[in-house]
Amino acid sequence: AQTVTQSQPEMSVQEAETVTLSCTYDTSESDYYLFWYKQPPSRQMILVIRQEAYKQQNATENRFSVNFQKAAKSFSLKISDSQLGDAAMYFCAFGGSQGNLIFGKGTKLSVKP
Amino acid sequence: DAGVTQSPTHLIKTRGQQVTLRCSPKSGHDTVSWYQQALGQGPQFIFQYYEEEERQRGNFPDRFSGHQFPNYSSELNVNALLLGDSALYLCASSLSGRAWTEAFFGQGTRLTVV
Repeated sequence: AQTVTQSQPEMSVQEAETVTLSCTYDTSESDYYLFWYKQPPSRQMILVIRQEAYKQQNATENRFSVNFQKAAKSFSLKISDSQLGDAAMYFCAFGGSQGNLIFGKGTKLSVKP
Repeated sequence: DAGVTQSPTHLIKTRGQQVTLRCSPKSGHDTVSWYQQALGQGPQFIFQYYEEEERQRGNFPDRFSGHQFPNYSSELNVNALLLGDSALYLCASSLSGRAWTEAFFGQGTRLTVV
């Protein structure tokens, strides 16, 4: 069975600085997707970035980028130039052949002005 | 485009009662998945509906059941409510069964069982 582990329950970053959130996963599948979702107090899950396992190039979306290490089964999220609006829960998720998402327990990110 | 809409936003029920939660998918989407998010946890997959049938199911008891209508909207029913069923229930919609490639989430229904 697939598992997703986020080992940082809470992280804090100064506004305009860079922060990295960690995620590891376990799977025997070779074709899958990995995601980072943001959940603000409004509760809605918002897709931040997506990585396809067969692509070696790390995904980038504006200030958000990932470090995908397939052999190590590691998928970290880097947020550059952090903004107050980035404060939220961040969830790492795995999507494989089952067709559903498997989420980690989340990391609460605080941004200090 | 209204995106994924869920109703109601909040609900309080008594132990033993039954509850129905509703979800309207994003326009053009035909697959609906339901997730349960307990406080301080990540969402857990309940089940997925495609073409009006349950296609996948997570590790949830039969008290949890669902339905998908011809217009792709969906309901989640929970019978014999337990205190432990208190959670945020999230609905996600996607296109053509590839539920994890373009999943859009609603704002959820906060269920409190007392």
